[in-house]
Amino acid sequence: SYELTQPLSVSVALGQTARITCGGDNIETKNVHWYQQKPGQAPVLVIYRDSNRPSGIPERFSGSNSGNTATLTISRAQAGDEADYYCQVWDSSTVFGGGTKLTVL
Amino acid sequence: EVQLVESGGGLVQPGRSLRVSCAASGFTFDDYAMHWVRHTPGKGLEWVSGISWNSDSTGYADSVRGRFTISRDNAKNSLYLQMNSLRVEDTALYYCAKSQQQLVRAGALDIWGQGTMVTVSS
Repeated sequence: SYELTQPLSVSVALGQTARITCGGDNIETKNVHWYQQKPGQAPVLVIYRDSNRPSGIPERFSGSNSGNTATLTISRAQAGDEADYYCQVWDSSTVFGGGTKLTVL
Repeated sequence: EVQLVESGGGLVQPGRSLRVSCAASGFTFDDYAMHWVRHTPGKGLEWVSGISWNSDSTGYADSVRGRFTISRDNAKNSLYLQMNSLRVEDTALYYCAKSQQQLVRAGALDIWGQGTMVTVSS
């Protein structure tokens, strides 16, 4: 079955840029979606189909997908961005990455 | 307001059954595929099952195939998950989620409920 690999944790200084990666075999051929989940809350879709932002998601959130790695980029990181982030694709079934905990220092 | 509200969770013994439900409002329910996703602190998010807009197609994670059954009633704007032969490892918060598209194998999940907790323990 298809596997998605994310770093367990990423740290970023307040106001700087955070990059969260999602690795998968030839992932560039798939549509990658990203979710933000804060403690005690349901997941929220922040990026769909590699690089598209749903309405209401700040422009600070962006995505890219190339080769074997998709990347979620959060510019000008804020304290409110602290959360777990998950990537997701479809490959004979829906697959989630293991999640990355983002800490804003 | 677009909303998904899950219900039916609870404490159940291993080997027993439970049915969880999801009530949808604020959008045209029968235009979209729907999914169940579960969350545990140790494993993160895990896709459980999905169903197409017209129930023609369903999909299941390997971990639940043969034990869980997803269904929907478009007349009632409702989604269901029948869980049989429950195991301790099925303990999780179960979310109902709306797809952006009609088919199970496409689309991001753009609307999520708040979840219903299922605890399997003797």
